[in-house]
Amino acid sequence: QVQLQESGPGLVKPSETLSLTCAVSGYSISSGYYWGWIRQPPGKGLEWIGSIYHSGSTYYNPSLKSRVTISVDTSKNQFSLKLSSVTAADTAVYYCARHPQLGTIDYWGQGTLVTVSS
Amino acid sequence: QSALTQPPSASGSPGQSVTISCTGTSSDVGGYNYVSWYQQHPGKAPKLMIYEVSKRPSGVPDRFSGSKSGNTASLTVSGLQAEDEADYYCSSYAGSNNHAVFGGGTQLTVL
Repeated sequence: QVQLQESGPGLVKPSETLSLTCAVSGYSISSGYYWGWIRQPPGKGLEWIGSIYHSGSTYYNPSLKSRVTISVDTSKNQFSLKLSSVTAADTAVYYCARHPQLGTIDYWGQGTLVTVSS
Repeated sequence: QSALTQPPSASGSPGQSVTISCTGTSSDVGGYNYVSWYQQHPGKAPKLMIYEVSKRPSGVPDRFSGSKSGNTASLTVSGLQAEDEADYYCSSYAGSNNHAVFGGGTQLTVL
């Protein structure tokens, strides 16, 4: 059974960089699929942040592209998100996920709340 | 990149059927058969209910079905049950720039 688990600080200061890691178990990232990040501000809908293919190619939401970096560490079977210059608008539950293709998510992490506040 | 358009709310009585729409453009919903639907209960991660327009993952009841016509995809829940009350989101591949896009979500109430 594929499992994903997000980890990282729950509180980030404005203008700083948000960093999260997703540990994957039950499947080797290097074997295939896209691996991505989705966020959900409190009381609002889902927003795709970006994804990385197992080969290392990256795909980002155009509205966030200038601030987002997604990378993969196959030796640790995990992938990471960095979002720079955060503001209160970046406060959200952040989910990591597996995509058979962009637009379809078959496995989700449980989500982690990141609050941007001084 | 605009979000797909969903009605904010939908409702039905137990046993009835309800259909939720998801409208995009020819660059996403209309251009590819990669539309998915997710169910999200409060405080929980979303769950995949439909993928590739009309396919159901293992374990999803056949009361859930999906379809597409032009730039609009639809999710139909038949034989509504109390546990179907949740938020539902659609998503689509947007191939022009290799993106993914979500709908704004629909809150389904079982009366």
